[in-house]
This record gives sequence, C-alpha cells and structure tokens, in this order.
Amino acid sequence: QSALTQPRSVSGSPGQSVTISCTGTSSDVGTYNYVSWYQQHPGKAPKLMICDVTKRPSGVPDRFSGSKSGNTASLTISGLQAEDEADYYCCSYAGSYSLLFGGGTKLTVL
Amino acid sequence: EVRLLESGGGLVQPGGSLRLSCAASGFNFTTSTMNWVRQAPGKGLEWVSTFSGSVCCTYYADSVKGRVTISRDNSKNTLYLQMNSLRDEDTAIYYCAQVEAGSGTYYVENWGQGTLVTVSS
Repeated sequence: QSALTQPRSVSGSPGQSVTISCTGTSSDVGTYNYVSWYQQHPGKAPKLMICDVTKRPSGVPDRFSGSKSGNTASLTISGLQAEDEADYYCCSYAGSYSLLFGGGTKLTVL
Repeated sequence: EVRLLESGGGLVQPGGSLRLSCAASGFNFTTSTMNWVRQAPGKGLEWVSTFSGSVCCTYYADSVKGRVTISRDNSKNTLYLQMNSLRDEDTAIYYCAQVEAGSGTYYVENWGQGTLVTVSS
C-alpha cells in the first residue's frame, strides 16, 4: 500500500487558519472512520491531535479540528500560534490491524 | 500516566540481528493492542507491526514480513521486536505505540520516545 498523500508544506501567519489535506483510497480513508492526526516537533515523538476523524483528545486545543469527505481527510488549525509549527502526519486504519500514514506536512508559522 | 520506554537500538551490520524492547506502564498492558512504528531519518512514519490485545494475533508490514517478529511478555509488561536479516533501509527510529482499538475506534494513543537502529557496515 502506498502512503496517504499530504502536501509537503503549508504556511500561515499567526491568527490565520490552515488546512492540511490527506488523500487515501476506498481501501483506507474512504472505508474507515479511523483517521487520526499527529503533531511532531523536531527530535520529539509524535503526539495525537485528532482521532476517529473528528475527535479531539483531552488537552488538545479546540483550534484543531478534523473532517473527512470521501477518500480525503483534512486537519484544520485555526488561530495559528508559533508553537503550532511542526510536522503533521495523517493516519488511517487500513484493515487487518494495520495503519497507513501520510508522508507528512511541514507547517511553517510565518 | 502512560509510559513506554524503548531500548535495544544501536549500530548493526547488514544481515545482522537486533531485539528491541518496550517497557510499558500506566495502563492495562495485557489487553492493549501494541504497535511498532518506525521513522527513517528525515522521512515519515511507517507502521511496522501489531500485536493485538485480547486476541493474540500478530501482523506485519510487507517491508518487514519474514524478517521481524513481534512478541510480548504480559508478566513483564514488555513488548519486543526481534529483527533479523537487517538491511540499510531498516535504519530508523523505532517507536513503541499503544493503540486504542475497539468498537468504532482505532488510533495510536501513546508513543514512546523511540530507539534508533542504524544498519551500516
């Protein structure tokens, strides 16, 4: 299986909103409502930001939201802050207890 | 507090073997689905293997199938990854990951800090 498709980079100014897309297929994103998003700062482990397409774990700011339409999921970050600058990875359940990750998107806060 | 502490990484020659360990605490390890996920230098995340919780089955990515074995010792709350016939492309940080898996949900809830495996002659 090929990795999910994400833009390599996105950018925005503080206070603005950005959306990161994640495109899969009918075998993963399109079939399962098990899309999650992870934030990774340099040298650190990934951190869960969104699970099951739209759910936000305790402690994650409500500036982060997720959605899905067909084979494409999206992560929207509103009210950008400097600390949001990081790599973001989408992930989908792909059946048989396997996971498929996206290639990652580097978010730059201008 | 959930803690996942990996160990066992290091430098190994191509064709060599290595066993990674992940000591878990702060949650019910016995019934938890556990994963290994890796990240090559400067690259993205790649799922490697799953050991399901209450159902004792194992699953592997095609890239490692036949060369790695995931196992667990519930008495020690420890997850393992035995890696054989290592290749240059196996060079990566290997993360231990606790999965929340159930009816209507599946995601990696917690990650360890990772252990670096370098395959090089």
